[in-house]
Amino acid sequence: DADVTQTPRNRITKTGKRIMLECSQTKGHDRMYWYRQDPGLGLRLIYYSFDVKDINKGEISDGYSVSRQAQAKFSLSLESAIPNQTALYFCATSDYGTGGGYTFGSGTRLTVV
Amino acid sequence: QKEVEQNSGPLSVPEGAIASLNCTYSDRGSQSFFWYRQYSGKSPELIMFIYSNGDKEDGRFTAQLNKASQYVSLLIRDSQPSDSATYLCGSSSASKIIFGSGTRLSIRP
Repeated sequence: DADVTQTPRNRITKTGKRIMLECSQTKGHDRMYWYRQDPGLGLRLIYYSFDVKDINKGEISDGYSVSRQAQAKFSLSLESAIPNQTALYFCATSDYGTGGGYTFGSGTRLTVV
Repeated sequence: QKEVEQNSGPLSVPEGAIASLNCTYSDRGSQSFFWYRQYSGKSPELIMFIYSNGDKEDGRFTAQLNKASQYVSLLIRDSQPSDSATYLCGSSSASKIIFGSGTRLSIRP
């Protein structure tokens, strides 16, 4: 089983719909992150959480919200999806500090039509 | 705005040669630096990390860090077709990684 699991793998949704992307991990890491990836723009940080009671905005949080339901679960919601939120979304985890870098999930390809 | 800059490429290198990938960063507070490899449609996978000035070697890969020049590089020796991918450079500060947009590397036979 994957250490960091994202669901769904692919999703097509309509403009204005609310959608949730889920991430769960079995690595026992405290820190979890949501990034989006667009062609030519690399990975951009949306939200991150260092423990269950800690939620922080990243560089592109507008239009998104998150929930840290447990140490192992971190969900990303699009309250009202718009076409420019079409992207590849990655969840990542890390241990205290990032000396060892992130472990990424397999990604969710989201298309908003 | 803290930034990590990479040449987008594509960088074309003959099989068996050395591939050299470069990256600059703007945040002098950055503590650790990472190189990830990403195949098309897949998730990034960690190749190397470095946090001290100088070189760090792991098999065919060598990461180089120069904090005074705010410069990080990755050398891939004996390049193989399987090395063809996009390479992402990242710098870490306050336990968050900022990534560059990636360099596309193509190894030609």
